[in-house]
Amino acid sequence: TQLLEQSPQFLSIQEGENLTVYCNSSSVFSSLQWYRQEPGEGPVLLVTVVTGGEVKKLKRLTFQFGDARKDSSLHITAAQPGDTGLYLCAGARGNAGNMLTFGGGTRLMVKP
Amino acid sequence: NAGVTQTPKFQVLKTGQSMTLQCAQDMNHEYMSWYRQDPGMGLRLIHYSVGAGITDQGEVPNGYNVSRSTTEDFPLRLLSAAPSQTSVYFCASSYSKLPTTGRNTEAFFGQGTRLTVV
Repeated sequence: TQLLEQSPQFLSIQEGENLTVYCNSSSVFSSLQWYRQEPGEGPVLLVTVVTGGEVKKLKRLTFQFGDARKDSSLHITAAQPGDTGLYLCAGARGNAGNMLTFGGGTRLMVKP
Repeated sequence: NAGVTQTPKFQVLKTGQSMTLQCAQDMNHEYMSWYRQDPGMGLRLIHYSVGAGITDQGEVPNGYNVSRSTTEDFPLRLLSAAPSQTSVYFCASSYSKLPTTGRNTEAFFGQGTRLTVV
């Protein structure tokens, strides 16, 4: 059972376009993380959101945690080919990073 | 700065064979976990450990064993490999909590082991 649903699964866009990736669940998480994964590598943390309604910005990436701490979104402004990769959301229950529930991932391709 | 090191990177097994995937971390993290990654399913938790001598099952533990005799090492054993265990396996480690905030959920991942069972 996939507790975290990510959409879309695949996204192919042109350089300069904007995009939003969604991560939805019926469960409440103490925090939600976004990871990016390159081929042949492990996931690398981009951001952690903790408070309901929280918004965090990382250059052209904007992350939002839903008010009820059940969902999150990742918005990329003016996408670049270097943004290409697999984006994963992961929910944590409690304060430990050892039991994460991952979404299915969004594979993003940004064409020059 | 090695971080989380997994060996081997690639492995092909025959059905019924056993093997151990190695994982070591040099960050003195208390928590370690094993995940498997299959297409379209993200990562699923197999087993985890909150410290030396303490392990517990995750979402998909069947067919796998773990032990944690030291803080640094957390090997994953496949008892009798099956084609359904063909996957990419990731080991991760994390602190239990940051002294400043009392919480930390960031996991550091190894580069993965790509396992094929034929």
